Amino acid sequence: ETGVTQTPRHLVMGMTNKKSLKCEQHLGHNAMYWYKQSAKKPLELMFVYSLEERVENNSVPSRFSPECPNSSHLFLHLHTLQPEDSALYLCASSQDTYSDHEQYFGPGTRLTVT
Amino acid sequence: AQSVAQPEDQVNVAEGNPLTVKCTYSVSGNPYLFWYVQYPNRGLQFLLKYITGDNLVKGSYGFEAEFNKSQTSFHLKKPSALVSDSALYFCAVRDKNSNYQLIWGAGTKLIIKP
Repeated sequence: ETGVTQTPRHLVMGMTNKKSLKCEQHLGHNAMYWYKQSAKKPLELMFVYSLEERVENNSVPSRFSPECPNSSHLFLHLHTLQPEDSALYLCASSQDTYSDHEQYFGPGTRLTVT
Repeated sequence: AQSVAQPEDQVNVAEGNPLTVKCTYSVSGNPYLFWYVQYPNRGLQFLLKYITGDNLVKGSYGFEAEFNKSQTSFHLKKPSALVSDSALYFCAVRDKNSNYQLIWGAGTKLIIKP
């Protein structure tokens, strides 16, 4: 495994629900990322945290709210989602953001919004 | 605009034959180049990267890639395909002078037939 875990692996939620996705990395990295993966499309970068500070918010709707309480944990809080938000949500980490280091990905959370 | 193109949605190869998965890119400066693989129901897994130096880069599972600056390409290759190589392959690029933002291709599905 890559050293990045995500829970839950699958999530079905209604449009009025509130849920959270959790990511944990055991690699001692300083940067963490949230991506959205939809079929046959490039990965969409949503948020980037470096040393627990958000450094990127890629025009993501406010119904997605990230939280990074420490350098090992990253959350994505979800509320009043839309069906088009159904996708695979991937968490990743890297040693830092200003380098050539590769990113390590978790297995993802398959989200279905009904 | 910076972009990555993976011109083939799907590549079919017979087991034991050589395989190539194509990637071309457009970035404003000198690139860092990456290949990742995604097996079914898994997150992305790093395969190899080009940073500088020798244009031929060797990575995991017997894969290699050749950086061609004049053709702005970074094709992934393997001399002899295995059925277990069947997966989704992503090319990603970052301008060395930019920040953490990776530019991703849309992915190529590789199918190895026995």
